[in-house]
Amino acid sequence: GQNIDQPTEMTATEGAIVQINCTYQTSGFNGLFWYQQHAGEAPTFLSYNVLDGLEEKGRFSSFLSRSKGYSYLLLKELQMKDSASYLCAFYNQGGKLIFGQGTELSVKP
Amino acid sequence: DAMVIQNPRYQVTQFGKPVTLSCSQTLNHNVMYWYQQKSSQAPKLLFHYYDKDFNNEADTPDNFQSRRPNTSFCFLDIRSPGLGDAAMYLCATSRDGTGLDQPQHFGDGTRLSIL
Repeated sequence: GQNIDQPTEMTATEGAIVQINCTYQTSGFNGLFWYQQHAGEAPTFLSYNVLDGLEEKGRFSSFLSRSKGYSYLLLKELQMKDSASYLCAFYNQGGKLIFGQGTELSVKP
Repeated sequence: DAMVIQNPRYQVTQFGKPVTLSCSQTLNHNVMYWYQQKSSQAPKLLFHYYDKDFNNEADTPDNFQSRRPNTSFCFLDIRSPGLGDAAMYLCATSRDGTGLDQPQHFGDGTRLSIL
């Protein structure tokens, strides 16, 4: 089977670092994506990992361990505008993008 | 520089009155997707087109139809909207749908309300 799991919500403080975890199970794997979605808006692409390791893009980094079926998104120097839902997703063998439920991140002053 | 454009952003229709949502793309991508997203839920794939080939999800109600007259445009038709169809509808594209280093690019969505 295939499934993907991430925490429902998290709270962090402005300026801090937060790590959002995602675990997944799938028989075919073509990489894992992270999207950011502000309330009432469309998801925007943040990062993609297909090989094990850390990908860094400015304040955002994403990590993948294929053997463990695990990824995380790391957000540094949190800003209020980072309050959003963060979705992890992977393509299954049929070419369908499977989304997690999303983690609602609230950044407090 | 919008690459996936959805119109309108907000749509209000009456219960049972057909409605059409539109999506256009300037990316020349082969694959176009329609998703339904309800509050605090993940986007749910309704169907997608690989070029002209239509692929329907097994659990997509018959009430939902789609048309792709050319590479750039794709339409979502809801024949008889019910109250449960109130949601955000997202259009997305990808180059060839294999997933390899190909994120899906989403439009801003159309929020559909049913009176």
